[in-house]
Amino acid sequence: GESVGLHLPTLSVQEGDNSIINCAYSNSASDYFIWYKQESGKGPQFIIDIRSNMDKRQGQRVTVLLNKTVKHLSLQIAATQPGDSAVYFCAEDPKSNYQLIWGAGTKLIIKP
Amino acid sequence: NAGVTQTPKFQVLKTGQSMTLQCAQDMNHNSMYWYRQDPGMGLRLIYYSASEGTTDKGEVPNGYNVSRLNKREFSLRLESAAPSQTSVYFCASSKRRTGNTEAFFGQGTRLTVV
Repeated sequence: GESVGLHLPTLSVQEGDNSIINCAYSNSASDYFIWYKQESGKGPQFIIDIRSNMDKRQGQRVTVLLNKTVKHLSLQIAATQPGDSAVYFCAEDPKSNYQLIWGAGTKLIIKP
Repeated sequence: NAGVTQTPKFQVLKTGQSMTLQCAQDMNHNSMYWYRQDPGMGLRLIYYSASEGTTDKGEVPNGYNVSRLNKREFSLRLESAAPSQTSVYFCASSKRRTGNTEAFFGQGTRLTVV
């Protein structure tokens, strides 16, 4: 899962397995959530987003689940590939114009 | 289609020196942003520009200034660099505000202040 601080949580999964990256968000008023992937030496890249009127959204090989009751967000990656190795960030929009709240990130490592 | 282009990619400054980080986007986006990223942390918003001609402070604006030169370009200036400003800086743009749409990021500028 994600936490704020100097120690980046790490998730290590076998190639071909499914990955689940968790995120606890902070503001119950947040109505939009987004996941970004950041590869080493690059800027973040959009993966998928979800609005608070939904609890699940699927993309290509990725699914985002939203549980508003416990303020929890997860990103599921199916059939993890070496190219999925990266740091994954969740971010929430607490409706304070333009200022997304970013999680600290989870590093995903793929084992061959 | 280059997307968001930042220059320079790397920079070393001495304490007290000034510099400007440049950012340009070719996607005709209205909104542009400057973030900093410190080790083990998420991105923190420094300044943003909702549209051409406007700029506003983000979470950590102290020690920085910005200019939205035109719709394409948004620069970040450090007037008197401090070691605490050592970080990786990312410029981003979005069609609308990031609250309801994805943002596109540049490759980053790695800045070291000694």
